[in-house]
Amino acid sequence: AQSVTQPDIHITVSEGASLELRCNYSYGATPYLFWYVQSPGQGLQLLLKYFSGDTLVQGIKGFEAEFKRSQSSFNLRKPSVHWSDAAEYFCAVGLSGGSYIPTFGRGTSLIVHP
Amino acid sequence: EPEVTQTPSHQVTQMGQEVILRCVPISNHLYFYWYRQILGQKVEFLVSFYNNEISEKSEIFDDQFSVERPDGSNFTLKIRSTKLEDSAMYFCASSEDHPQGVNTEAFFGQGTRLTVV
Repeated sequence: AQSVTQPDIHITVSEGASLELRCNYSYGATPYLFWYVQSPGQGLQLLLKYFSGDTLVQGIKGFEAEFKRSQSSFNLRKPSVHWSDAAEYFCAVGLSGGSYIPTFGRGTSLIVHP
Repeated sequence: EPEVTQTPSHQVTQMGQEVILRCVPISNHLYFYWYRQILGQKVEFLVSFYNNEISEKSEIFDDQFSVERPDGSNFTLKIRSTKLEDSAMYFCASSEDHPQGVNTEAFFGQGTRLTVV
């Protein structure tokens, strides 16, 4: 079965600093990959997704992620973090050619200092 | 902007009672999902629903759980004989297209926080 690991439970950055949130997946073939964000009191919002093609994916709110097959990773990046980016971030994986249903990681809580 | 709405936002119930969590998916969406998130843990898939029947379910979704689309707009999750460990945030989601189609993005509601006491 596929699984996804987010090794960082909490990440603290200063406003304006760059951000990278790590995500590793476990699956033999090429999966579908997603990043979701959950702001306090809100539902899960899709930031970006990767199905195939260009391994660098652009998303909403200035986020991007890069699929690296050799490292089984799909890390989320943003060059300059805003205070409003403070939220919980979830990486998710779905099977290509099988069940798309996203399997979520445990999430990374982003704290932004002024 | 269309959105998935869930009611109530917070429900407290006594152990052993039955609860029904309600969701209104986006109107032209055909695929519906329930997930849950126990506090401090990851978001877990429960069940997906299409064409008035369950299409996939996880091992969590046992006989205690059931889903229904009672009319053209609502999608409900029923939990019978609730246990303390059922306390969690329950998320409903919907997508327009088949999971392997083009418009596969799942739109999530804000969640219902269920507290079993």
